Amino acid sequence: EAAVTQSPRSKVAVTGGKVTLSCHQTNNHDYMYWYRQDTGHGLRLIHYSYVADSTEKGDIPDGYKASRPSQENFSLILELASLSQTAVYFCASSDPGGNTGQLYFGEGSKLTVL
Amino acid sequence: GQQVKQSSPSLTVQEGGILILNCDYENDMFDYFAWYKKYPDNSPTLLISVRSNVDKREDGRFTVFLNKSGKHFSLHITASQPEDTAVYLCAAGANQGGSAKLIFGEGTKLTVSS
Repeated sequence: EAAVTQSPRSKVAVTGGKVTLSCHQTNNHDYMYWYRQDTGHGLRLIHYSYVADSTEKGDIPDGYKASRPSQENFSLILELASLSQTAVYFCASSDPGGNTGQLYFGEGSKLTVL
Repeated sequence: GQQVKQSSPSLTVQEGGILILNCDYENDMFDYFAWYKKYPDNSPTLLISVRSNVDKREDGRFTVFLNKSGKHFSLHITASQPEDTAVYLCAAGANQGGSAKLIFGEGTKLTVSS
């Protein structure tokens, strides 16, 4: 059973529309992350969170908001979607207590903005 | 600027061959180094990782070498197999409060030809 699940897996949105990507983890991990994947850029960190009700900016936060209502759930919100936000988005969780640094990724959400 | 950089966007090797993937980083504070493997339309998964207190870690056909003074780490794959064909992402991070906040390279697309 997948421990990090994302929804939707695929979405087409219109420019200027609002998009919410959701992530749910059953790993009991404190840390959760949102990355985006673009060809030639690898994975870039958008937002992350280390505790419920708190989020932190990653390396490319502009145009994105994040929400962590509980330990298990972490959402990425695009209030005004733009063409440049077309990408695959990955959610991940990690356990700092384990001190391994390993990220456990969800399956990815493919977003196309038209 | 790119904090973690992979020198080769793509690489091809014959089945059974040895290959080396390279990664350079900028931040002296990084103390955790990892290689993730990603198949098309799948999520990245951890292949092998090492902390800065060692300069080498081996796991079967995969070995990671760390050169802290040169801010460089590499992945060596021996006896390459067709199933090694994938995108390989290097990643590095600093253990800030236990957060596995990883910075990823752009990825190297590896093709193992039979």
